[in-house]
Amino acid sequence: KAGVTQTPRYLIKTRGQQVTLSCSPISGHRSVSWYQQTPGQGLQFLFEYFSETQRNKGNFPGRFSGRQFSNSRSEMNVSTLELGDSALYLCASSSGQGTEKLFFGSGTQLSVL
Amino acid sequence: KNEVEQSPQNLTAQEGEFITINCSYSVGISALHWLQQHPGGGIVSLFMLSSGKKKHGRLIATINIQEKHSSLHITASHPRDSAVYICAGLDIDNDMRFGAGTRLTVKP
Repeated sequence: KAGVTQTPRYLIKTRGQQVTLSCSPISGHRSVSWYQQTPGQGLQFLFEYFSETQRNKGNFPGRFSGRQFSNSRSEMNVSTLELGDSALYLCASSSGQGTEKLFFGSGTQLSVL
Repeated sequence: KNEVEQSPQNLTAQEGEFITINCSYSVGISALHWLQQHPGGGIVSLFMLSSGKKKHGRLIATINIQEKHSSLHITASHPRDSAVYICAGLDIDNDMRFGAGTRLTVKP
């Protein structure tokens, strides 16, 4: 079974631009969650999607948004990038049926210049 | 004060030693994850616990929901166990609250 795939692996953008990150979950998994990891703040929960609906949302500004498609693939968008958005963005998938282990992708390293 | 506290922050051990990493939380949670992150960023979910104890190979995780405390134990530690270990609690809103991580180095 293929693991969770995130693309791209690395991304460099400038302030004010927008960016879209992609996450393909493990086949059969319907839940995709997104996380931001920085050296200063550690790991923080962004949001979770289940069956194309946002089920939970962390404490991030509206510039951070996401969506999930019918095949469970998910995208995350950050608009009007700021220097502080530089981070490793990770997604994880699960079946979404309850509390269970998560399967993480390798992440997208975003640098905002 | 972070809602999820891990200790120690850094830990160096000799190969073969028994290791304990602790996680305490101040918010109500329904379950707790233990994660392992190797250099390069990849995260592996080790355990998800809502009560009691789980064991997988040399790893043991325990949780006491009432006392708001969980521990991760590694028996017969090995250099390949060197990684950052992170606990994360699932709160009542189903948001994940992360600890800052424990950096473990196991020397041969």
